[in-house]
Amino acid sequence: QKEVEQNSGPLSVPEGAIASLNCTYSDRGSQSFFWYRQYSGKSPELIMFIYSNGDKEDGRFTAQLNKASQYVSLLIRDSQPSDSATYLCAVNRVNWYGGATNKLIFGTGTLLAVQP
Amino acid sequence: GAGVSQTPSNKVTEKGKYVELRCDPISGHTALYWYRQSLGQGPEFLIYFQGTGAADDSGLPNDRFFAVRPEGSVSTLKIQRTERGDSAVYLCASSRRQAMVPRTDTQYFGPGTRLTVL
Repeated sequence: QKEVEQNSGPLSVPEGAIASLNCTYSDRGSQSFFWYRQYSGKSPELIMFIYSNGDKEDGRFTAQLNKASQYVSLLIRDSQPSDSATYLCAVNRVNWYGGATNKLIFGTGTLLAVQP
Repeated sequence: GAGVSQTPSNKVTEKGKYVELRCDPISGHTALYWYRQSLGQGPEFLIYFQGTGAADDSGLPNDRFFAVRPEGSVSTLKIQRTERGDSAVYLCASSRRQAMVPRTDTQYFGPGTRLTVL
């Protein structure tokens, strides 16, 4: 089992729709969770992070975290063609005694295609 | 302000050669990270520096890989006796280290160095 799992996609949504991207993680002690966007041939850029159960909204983006289910998701409202990219979920690794580290473990990413 | 810069942007080398990849972090960022990204995969952690010291090098795949950050700013990733399997995009990131827990340090990535080993 991979530490961070994402459906590779592609996830195709029409312009204006809600895109829902999902991620599961295996380390129950993980503390913080990040969503990065990566355009083809470019480096990852941070969209948002979350560390408390529930929802966190930033503009058209909402991150949702459910630690009991070890599940984190990203919703993109009013999807635009410019949102077409690979979305990477990353989890902050904890060390053997449960302390936070700075190491991010990434999933393989979900390719989102927003159709005009 | 200037972001993370990496040089060279592309490096083609032959199997068995030595290569150096350079990273210049955002000014004032004390934390520096190296990741490696293969096609179709997410970035894979290699090493993390806090200041001049390697705080976590658990991701370095073997002793052919080594990284330094002698003055706490620019870092160099060094790969000896390169192998075809080392071909990937090598990403550098930097952040302001925060003391809070859980860690929410924002890691800003550079454009990467595409390494091709023939």
